[in-house]
Amino acid sequence: GESVGLHLPTLSVQEGDNSIINCAYSNSASDYFIWYKQESGKGPQFIIDIRSNMDKRQGQRVTVLLNKTVKHLSLQIAATQPGDSAVYFCAESGGSQGNLIFGKGTKLSVKP
Amino acid sequence: DAGITQSPRHKVTETGTPVTLRCHQTENHRYMYWYRQDPGHGLRLIHYSYGVKDTDKGEVSDGYSVSRSKTEDFLLTLESATSSQTSVYFCAISLETSGGYNEQFFGPGTRLTVL
Repeated sequence: GESVGLHLPTLSVQEGDNSIINCAYSNSASDYFIWYKQESGKGPQFIIDIRSNMDKRQGQRVTVLLNKTVKHLSLQIAATQPGDSAVYFCAESGGSQGNLIFGKGTKLSVKP
Repeated sequence: DAGITQSPRHKVTETGTPVTLRCHQTENHRYMYWYRQDPGHGLRLIHYSYGVKDTDKGEVSDGYSVSRSKTEDFLLTLESATSSQTSVYFCAISLETSGGYNEQFFGPGTRLTVL
């Protein structure tokens, strides 16, 4: 499959543990954020989003936390499963066109 | 699935040849995007479209052109391919960008190799 990054930060967790993936964003004017999951050989898959008027948003097994003071975003995955192994990256949006700016990603590896 | 297909999925070509990649959507979304993805880089925007015949440049537009003659199709053309354009290309679609809300859905990608 396509190689999405040869030198990505890697997070290795045990199956069943919780995972926390972090992202620092650059633009203090960004007001919308998305987390994507990308498996080998596939396109990025939308996981969860959050707007800047929120600090926390929960989905199924995932939670996104937003700290605007330090421009930090995190993705928490509960009870991590082997199927969660992938590259995860955040994206921020702001400005007149609202185009997304993507981070480089973190590779999550789940050990059985 | 977001109803996005890309063709071809894989292509090998030679330096100096023209290449056209196609993105097709069945969602009737207004916005369409072309990105490239390379090791060590995040997704980088090449061009985008906000309607039929309405396109604009992204971060890495040099060497690329686009066309959108109908809502469902967005074409990316490399007029004269170079080895630096070897990459994985992704198309994305979005319904709206108002108020910073720009939930983009991605296609499966096209791996292009320029020899």
